[in-house]
Amino acid sequence: DGGITQSPKYLFRKEGQNVTLSCEQNLNHDAMYWYRQDPGQGLRLIYYSQIVNDFQKGDIAEGYSVSREKKESFPLTVTSAQKNPTAFYLCASSMPPGRMNTEAFFGQGTRLTVV
Amino acid sequence: AQSVSQHNHHVILSEAASLELGCNYSYGGTVNLFWYVQYPGQHLQLLLKYFSGDPLVKGIKGFEAEFIKSKFSFNLRKPSVQWSDTAEYFCAVIPTNAGKSTFGDGTTLTVKP
Repeated sequence: DGGITQSPKYLFRKEGQNVTLSCEQNLNHDAMYWYRQDPGQGLRLIYYSQIVNDFQKGDIAEGYSVSREKKESFPLTVTSAQKNPTAFYLCASSMPPGRMNTEAFFGQGTRLTVV
Repeated sequence: AQSVSQHNHHVILSEAASLELGCNYSYGGTVNLFWYVQYPGQHLQLLLKYFSGDPLVKGIKGFEAEFIKSKFSFNLRKPSVQWSDTAEYFCAVIPTNAGKSTFGDGTTLTVKP
């Protein structure tokens, strides 16, 4: 089945620790995205990448880092600098803008809790 | 930078009532527009999309949306809702010449049986 896989589904982290969320897609999409979903605030873009080895900051990039070494993978690291990391994180992928099918396909999400 | 505004944060309807969820965006250029739905416990999934052509687009499960360019709006409609339509609905826009998509804050729809 083609799709996006995020792991783990639930993650607990101690304050002061970095943690990496995994996102893998087998849809052959060039573009990948990380969003944070908080109640009442919709989806806010953290980072996005339109091509391998390139990525851009979204609206709330502070305290996060990403890499895009492979087309299929776009891991997100939540660093200790992120002041309020407890949230639901969604990964998505799509064809790049300018193409006809730019709708996003989403993973199941990772719920991160800082304890 | 583009922005998306969804006017209704929480809508409660009885079954068979008609639905209209508002979505307005701000961006000076050409955009692609989307409505996504998130049913309880499920992935976000595409409901419908507009790229070009007929401004009235039809999606899954009887939903439709109309793009009114002069009003920068892309409202979602359904003539008769069902209990199974209970979900959170997100409007999104992506400029055709840029990579950054923007989502609205979402509207939670509760349909009472």
